[in-house]
Amino acid sequence: EAGVTQFPSHSVIEKGQTVTLRCDPISGHDNLYWYRRVMGKEIKFLLHFVKESKQDESGMPNNRFLAERTGGTYSTLKVQPAELEDSGVYFCASSQDGVSGRNEQFFGPGTRLTVL
Amino acid sequence: LAKTTQPISMDSYEGQEVNITCSHNNIATNDYITWYQQFPSQGPRFIIQGYKTKVTNEVASLFIPADRKSSTLSLPRVSLSDTAVYYCLVGDIMTGGFKTIFGAGTRLFVKA
Repeated sequence: EAGVTQFPSHSVIEKGQTVTLRCDPISGHDNLYWYRRVMGKEIKFLLHFVKESKQDESGMPNNRFLAERTGGTYSTLKVQPAELEDSGVYFCASSQDGVSGRNEQFFGPGTRLTVL
Repeated sequence: LAKTTQPISMDSYEGQEVNITCSHNNIATNDYITWYQQFPSQGPRFIIQGYKTKVTNEVASLFIPADRKSSTLSLPRVSLSDTAVYYCLVGDIMTGGFKTIFGAGTRLFVKA
C-alpha cells in the first residue's frame, strides 16, 4: 500500500512568489493534516481536513496560506505571497476515522520550502 | 490540549533497554497518549498508542500509571538505527482525528 506522498520534495522560491504544495493521502483516509517545522522550532499543526471539509484550521498562520481538498482526496497548500519566515519543512499526514479507537497518523516525507 | 514534557536528549548503547518518560499533568479524560519516532529528513512515524496501564507491540512498550499524568516509552535492546527523535503527544482520538501538538521531543543517540 502506498504511503502519504508529497510534492515537490524541495522548492526554492523568491520572496513574493507563489508556491503550491501537494499532498496525496493514503487511499481511504478521511482525515488529512498539514504541519510545518520552521528552522529550529517544533513541528506545528496547521490544519485538519475531514474529507473535503476543514475541521480545524486554527494553526494557519495568516491569510497568505490557503489549503484545499477538493473531492476529499488530495490536498494542496498554497502560500501567496511567500515570505522569508515561511521557509521550513511542510508535512502532510493522513489517518482513518478515530472512532475505531486508534488514531495513527501516517506522515509524508515533507516538502522543504526555502524562500530567498 | 495537554502539554507534554520530555527530556531533551538521552544517550544509550546498543543492546540496552531505553526508557523515555513523558509528563502530561493536564491530560484530559478522553485523551490518548501516542508516541512517534522521527529520523532526519523524514516525517514522524507512529510507534505506539495507549490509554492506560500497559500496551505492547512489536517495537515498544508503553507504560501508563493509574493517574495517567505521565507515560514511559520502553524500547528493548536498542540498535544504532533507533537513533532518532521521539515525540510524546496526547489528544482525544475519538472525534475522528485530533489536533496533534508536537513538543520538542527527546533526541535519542545510540552508540556502539
